[in-house]
Amino acid sequence: DQQVKQNSPSLSVQEGRISILNCDYTNSMFDYFLWYKKYPAEGPTFLISISSIKDKNEDGRFTVFLNKSAKHLSLHIVPSQPGDSAVYFCAASANNDSWGKLQFGAGTQVVVTP
Amino acid sequence: DVKVTQSSRYLVKRTGEKVFLECVQDMDHENMFWYRQDPGLGLRLIYFSYDVKMKEKGDIPEGYSVSREKKERFSLILESASTNQTSMYLCASSYYEKQYFGPGTRLTVT
Repeated sequence: DQQVKQNSPSLSVQEGRISILNCDYTNSMFDYFLWYKKYPAEGPTFLISISSIKDKNEDGRFTVFLNKSAKHLSLHIVPSQPGDSAVYFCAASANNDSWGKLQFGAGTQVVVTP
Repeated sequence: DVKVTQSSRYLVKRTGEKVFLECVQDMDHENMFWYRQDPGLGLRLIYFSYDVKMKEKGDIPEGYSVSREKKERFSLILESASTNQTSMYLCASSYYEKQYFGPGTRLTVT
């Protein structure tokens, strides 16, 4: 039973436009959320995170929004660049987990076209 | 910069073989993790370790075991490889919730 869901397996966006990736979760104990980016044949790399005490966190072209009441978060990439073409994973950590375990979504493949 | 290395990038093994996947981190992290990544399923946790010689099962431990004899090294063992263990295997170490991943091992069991 997946506690973190990314319902869009793929997203195609034009260079320069906004990419919006969505993530839903079911566990109300999750209090820290992360986005990872993965290129083929490489390990995931950390992109941006947000704590449940915030509703927005921004880092350059990347912004993550958290709606706790809807158990929903989204990642906005503005403007999208060809190098952003990758698989993006949403992940969540529970406040009662002392080991920092993460639950990952299935991922969204983003393709940025010229 | 945190560095997590994995012993092999690509590995081909036969059904029934014992397989060892090695992972080393250089940041003195307490916690280390083994995942497998499959299309449409994301990353699923196999085992993790929070200290030397300490281990806990993840979500899909069946058919796997682990070993952590030194803090920097975490090994994943497939006791008798099967074709359904063909996958990408990712090792990670963590500082609090932020996990740092190795490049992955693409394992094919024939």
